[in-house]
Amino acid sequence: EADIYQTPRYLVIGTGKKITLECSQTMGHDKMYWYQQDPGMELHLIHYSYGVNSTEKGDLSSESTVSRIRTEHFPLTLESARPSHTSQYLCASSEGQADTGELFFGEGSRLTVL
Amino acid sequence: RKEVEQDPGPFNVPEGATVAFNCTYSNSASQSFFWYRQDCRKEPKLLMSVYSSGNEDGRFTAQLNRASQYISLLIRDSKLSDSATYLCVVNRDFNKFYFGSGTKLNVKP
Repeated sequence: EADIYQTPRYLVIGTGKKITLECSQTMGHDKMYWYQQDPGMELHLIHYSYGVNSTEKGDLSSESTVSRIRTEHFPLTLESARPSHTSQYLCASSEGQADTGELFFGEGSRLTVL
Repeated sequence: RKEVEQDPGPFNVPEGATVAFNCTYSNSASQSFFWYRQDCRKEPKLLMSVYSSGNEDGRFTAQLNRASQYISLLIRDSKLSDSATYLCVVNRDFNKFYFGSGTKLNVKP
């Protein structure tokens, strides 16, 4: 089993609230990612990090922000949640070798904004 | 154009059947290729990597055709437990992973 953890697993909040989705991994992986997935749809990369103090936006525009102050921790923040942010957010990490391809995913955070 | 395209299915097959999935990728700079499996409301997990020479893992065989930018997955002797969504994944630009929308497989008794 992968040692990558996301909290909360489920969150229902009202519009305008600030939220932070937590992601932690104990594998010492340099590379971490946030994906967004709507039901029945593909995963879209919204943020990634190649190491401490490195963060980049993914290919899907997102109003969320991320930080990487410690190797093991990669939280995602929404300053003001809206119903359009309702989705599943999946955090992942990898060792960083391009040909291994193993992304280890957390169990996801399912967000509902009312 | 999508980075990775897959037939969404569903593929409904009886136990014991052989089933094949395909996907195409748009960027010729893609470096490595994979099949992931995602169960309903769960996170994706790596099924197998895909190499140009083809590779096999038990009942699963994967093939890559770089010239056609095409990846395939063959499942022999399908089991009920194979029911899932199969995601085609490509990797480029220093470990940016791009996922297809998945092909849903239902194996029936």
